[in-house]
Amino acid sequence: EDQVTQSPEALRLQEGESSSLNCSYTVSGLRGLFWYRQDPGKGPEFLFTLYSAGEEKEKERLKATLTKKESFLHITAPKPEDSATYLCAVQTTDSWGKLQFGAGTQVVVTP
Amino acid sequence: ETGVTQTPRHLVMGMTNKKSLKCEQHLGHNAMYWYKQSAKKPLELMFVYNFKEQTENNSVPSRFSPECPNSSHLFLHLHTLQPEDSALYLCASSQDFGQSENTIYFGEGSWLTVV
Repeated sequence: EDQVTQSPEALRLQEGESSSLNCSYTVSGLRGLFWYRQDPGKGPEFLFTLYSAGEEKEKERLKATLTKKESFLHITAPKPEDSATYLCAVQTTDSWGKLQFGAGTQVVVTP
Repeated sequence: ETGVTQTPRHLVMGMTNKKSLKCEQHLGHNAMYWYKQSAKKPLELMFVYNFKEQTENNSVPSRFSPECPNSSHLFLHLHTLQPEDSALYLCASSQDFGQSENTIYFGEGSWLTVV
């Protein structure tokens, strides 16, 4: 059975304190791994898609990496506006178009 | 402002009511989705439509009835719901399944409370 596990569940950071979020997955065949950001009361906002091990993508203070078993979302020198829940999801080769989500990591960045 | 618009944003309904959620996408996509997000649980896929045809019903109770009249519009008809159906209902869209790029874009969601 396909599984997506995110850790930690919650993360509290001081402004400027870099950290990483983990998304580990067990799937039959990975087509793509997606990262989303979700603010309270809003829908998930797309951040990145990673397709193959070794791939990396960056956007402002965020950098996503992928291995054959897990993905990391690195937050460098975070600011309070980076506070959100970060969601990881996988799309498998035999479930085209469908995303299986992890439970998310809630990040709070304090000034 | 996203390319996927959902209405209403908030809905309170009694268990005997009938209501509908509406979704419209302005991204030129051909696949549309309904997801459910309950407190403390991962997003759950409910229904998938590709070129107006339903391709996935993830064992959703019949009190939820989807409708996709064209590739830009998706409805979720609700009737005789239970309090445990209270959740955030998210509509999403993507290119059709044959495309290599299949990023799924979400709307802002409809908050449903069943009383």
